[in-house]
Amino acid sequence: SAVISQKPSRDICQRGTSLTIQCQVDSQVTMMFWYRQQPGQSLTLIATANQGSEATYESGFVIDKFPISRPNLTFSTLTVSNMSPEDSSIYLCSVYSAESASVYEQYFGPGTRLTVT
Amino acid sequence: AQKITQTQPGMFVQEKEAVTLDCTYDTSDPSYGLFWYKQPSSGEMIFLIYQGSYDQQNATEGRYSLNFQKARKSANLVISASQLGDSAMYFCAMREFESGNTPLVFGKGTRLSVIA
Repeated sequence: SAVISQKPSRDICQRGTSLTIQCQVDSQVTMMFWYRQQPGQSLTLIATANQGSEATYESGFVIDKFPISRPNLTFSTLTVSNMSPEDSSIYLCSVYSAESASVYEQYFGPGTRLTVT
Repeated sequence: AQKITQTQPGMFVQEKEAVTLDCTYDTSDPSYGLFWYKQPSSGEMIFLIYQGSYDQQNATEGRYSLNFQKARKSANLVISASQLGDSAMYFCAMREFESGNTPLVFGKGTRLSVIA
């Protein structure tokens, strides 16, 4: 299984500011996913980040609002830009299981709880 | 179109009883996988069980089993001998394999409360 860490675990931010969330995986993975979970809601995919290429964003999410970096096979960042209270959510990083193992399992980081005031 | 439907926003079950959480899905992809995750109040997503579309037998993992009815496109989670620690949100999710390594799509979830 993959072990995923995220920083920060939680933050309270002022509207109009930006926050960068870091995701570190203990093994090399090709694809990393960023999800958002708004209060009381399910998980919604923001984007898929492949190393060495631009992230692919889902409908309703744009690069200017959620820029993503993927500098190597174990690390990614998601920035939430020009925040508003509607951005208050849990942001989760996710990867498939180790490349050499079954591809069926998808693991999640502990999440970053963001509150925008 | 909604790909994963969980029609039970909340469920209650007596401790030590079994409970079934419903999940139906929609896909035209012949190759897909169905997953169940548990999310306690801490927020972490815990993988519980997986069922592949070509698997002949229903998946089981300890107290968890998946009642897979392919013709009905349903993948219900059965938790046997419920424990207080089972109280959490439960999400059904699906991945379609035909077009490559696609990410999981989640249902809205069911909140399970286990009563002593």
